[in-house]
Amino acid sequence: NAGVTQTPKFRVLKTGQSMTLLCAQDMNHEYMYWYRQDPGMGLRLIHYSVGEGTTAKGEVPDGYNVSRLKKQNFLLGLESAAPSQTSVYFCASGERGLAGGTDTQYFGPGTRLTVL
Amino acid sequence: TQLLEQSPQFLSIQEGENLTVYCNSSSVFSSLQWYRQEPGEGPVLLVTVVTGGEVKKLKRLTFQFGDARKDSSLHITAAQPGDTGLYLCAGTAQGAQKLVFGQGTRLTINP
Repeated sequence: NAGVTQTPKFRVLKTGQSMTLLCAQDMNHEYMYWYRQDPGMGLRLIHYSVGEGTTAKGEVPDGYNVSRLKKQNFLLGLESAAPSQTSVYFCASGERGLAGGTDTQYFGPGTRLTVL
Repeated sequence: TQLLEQSPQFLSIQEGENLTVYCNSSSVFSSLQWYRQEPGEGPVLLVTVVTGGEVKKLKRLTFQFGDARKDSSLHITAAQPGDTGLYLCAGTAQGAQKLVFGQGTRLTINP
């Protein structure tokens, strides 16, 4: 099992460019998540999905869009990149846990994005 | 506002010393987790606590969930350089479907 994989690992964009980050998981998990991690801020949830074809906004959704067309894939899109979106992006997947929430999340290795 | 507050944010100690990291909130959580993250990698789950007052041990690491399920602590005994990393607490609020993370504690153990 590869677990959770993310592509690309690094990317540099110019302001206004667009790109898509791909997350794939081979654990048949229902839940998938996109986070961004900035110094001193911990992990902040951008968008998440509780099943194929469903998505929902997290804590910091502005400037991002997502799609979950297949259960194993969760795509994060930036339509018009801004310097404030410079960050490390992590994808995670998990199973439905206690009280409806996820019990354990498995994280990918991250994508380091720089927007100039 | 941070739903989960971790303290301290940075901690640098000598090998062999003991330390405690705290994770506090005014909210009640149905479960609380501790993750460890190394540079260039994603967080890896260490433990999940679900019952108020619960104590779990993982070798030299002891995790405790507060009686009211609003806080947690991580205690490391006889710290080693291999314990160096970013420690994150994360919780699922009652009725929620997603985790909220603390800002992390960056721990450095000096040989």
